[in-house]
Amino acid sequence: AQSVTQPDIHITVSEGASLELRCNYSYGATPYLFWYVQSPGQGLQLLLKYFSGDTLVQGIKGFEAEFKRSQSSFNLRKPSVHWSDAAEYFCAVGPSYNAGKSTFGDGTTLTVKP
Amino acid sequence: DARVTQTPRHKVTEMGQEVTMRCQPILGHNTVFWYRQTMMQGLELLAYFRNRAPLDDSGMPKDRFSAEMPDATLATLKIQPSEPRDSAVYFCASGQRGGLDEQFFGPGTRLTVL
Repeated sequence: AQSVTQPDIHITVSEGASLELRCNYSYGATPYLFWYVQSPGQGLQLLLKYFSGDTLVQGIKGFEAEFKRSQSSFNLRKPSVHWSDAAEYFCAVGPSYNAGKSTFGDGTTLTVKP
Repeated sequence: DARVTQTPRHKVTEMGQEVTMRCQPILGHNTVFWYRQTMMQGLELLAYFRNRAPLDDSGMPKDRFSAEMPDATLATLKIQPSEPRDSAVYFCASGQRGGLDEQFFGPGTRLTVL
């Protein structure tokens, strides 16, 4: 069965510092990979996605992620964090073997220090 | 700007009452998902539909929860009778390509059962 692990429950970075959020997946074929962001009181919004091709994917708000098949990872990065990036971030992998649903990780909460 | 809409945004009810949450997916999307989010359990998939047909509702307590799509523009999630442990934020999401692509989340319904 497919699964997603986000090892870091909570990360704190200073504004202007770089950021990397980790995501590891388990999947038997070529996965579809997603990163979503959830600001307080809101639904999830897609940051970026990987289906195939270039393993470095650019997303909205200056985020990027790199797919590494050998490490089963899809880490999210941003070179300089802004205070508005404080939110919860979810990695997701899909589809399942027999249906088109994604599996979400437990999320990583990002706190940005001034 | 197409969006998923959910009503009501907030609902406070007493234990034992029936609760109905509604979702209008984005026009043209053929897959609809219902999620529940709590601090303790995180984001849980309750049910999802493709072309209005239920594909998987294994995440839903069958004795009290029911999900339907009366037509392509409306999805409903009902809880009868409601219990305090049902207090959570319920999200609806819709997507194309049978759920293989990104999901577009609504703003959620915050349910409090007293």
